[in-house]
Amino acid sequence: ETGVTQTPRHLVMGMTNKKSLKCEQHLGHNAMYWYKQSAKKPLELMFVYSLEERVENNSVPSRFSPECPNSSHLFLHLHTLQPEDSALYLCASSQESHPSAYEQYFGPGTRLTVT
Amino acid sequence: GIQVEQSPPDLILQEGANSTLRCNFSDSVNNLQWFHQNPWGQLINLFYIPSGTKQNGRLSATTVATERYSLLYISSSQTTDSGVYFCAVNDYKLSFGAGTTVTVRA
Repeated sequence: ETGVTQTPRHLVMGMTNKKSLKCEQHLGHNAMYWYKQSAKKPLELMFVYSLEERVENNSVPSRFSPECPNSSHLFLHLHTLQPEDSALYLCASSQESHPSAYEQYFGPGTRLTVT
Repeated sequence: GIQVEQSPPDLILQEGANSTLRCNFSDSVNNLQWFHQNPWGQLINLFYIPSGTKQNGRLSATTVATERYSLLYISSSQTTDSGVYFCAVNDYKLSFGAGTTVTVRA
């Protein structure tokens, strides 16, 4: 595998379910990101991790819980979601996160539908 | 935060035509990226361009950081160029514009 991979690619879940999204990067990067892309809205940054430490939480509701066990893996744990959380969730990685601005590379995304 | 405006919002082209997409941003940035999002949602890196001009095949980009804008040129457009083009600026985190939806007709 090369680049940034995400699983699953599609997910349908009920509002009471618990599920997790997985992201893996094969680029040797130290920073990883979660973004949300809703219909008709720009991509929104959710979380930033640098060397497994969370460095940014962009006012995301607690029903989204990120986890970064090492610099190659990033998870987004989901519980008691709302229908408005239906969106494309994109993972990205970059060499570092801050203070310099490094090029970010994105995975293919997980399309989430909450019923 | 930084505001990013892209224009036009929609663009319909005949195959073979040339076009220019524009990205304006409200403050100085450390970097700027252009992406193409395909119909399946994948964001494909086109350019990483804090300033100056770069070319990659039929695509080229120019960023004038002092005037806070960037341009993406598509020449001899093909149907595979269809999709949404995003500009994103980086002042330690990426802030995205709303995108330009390009439709290339055969």
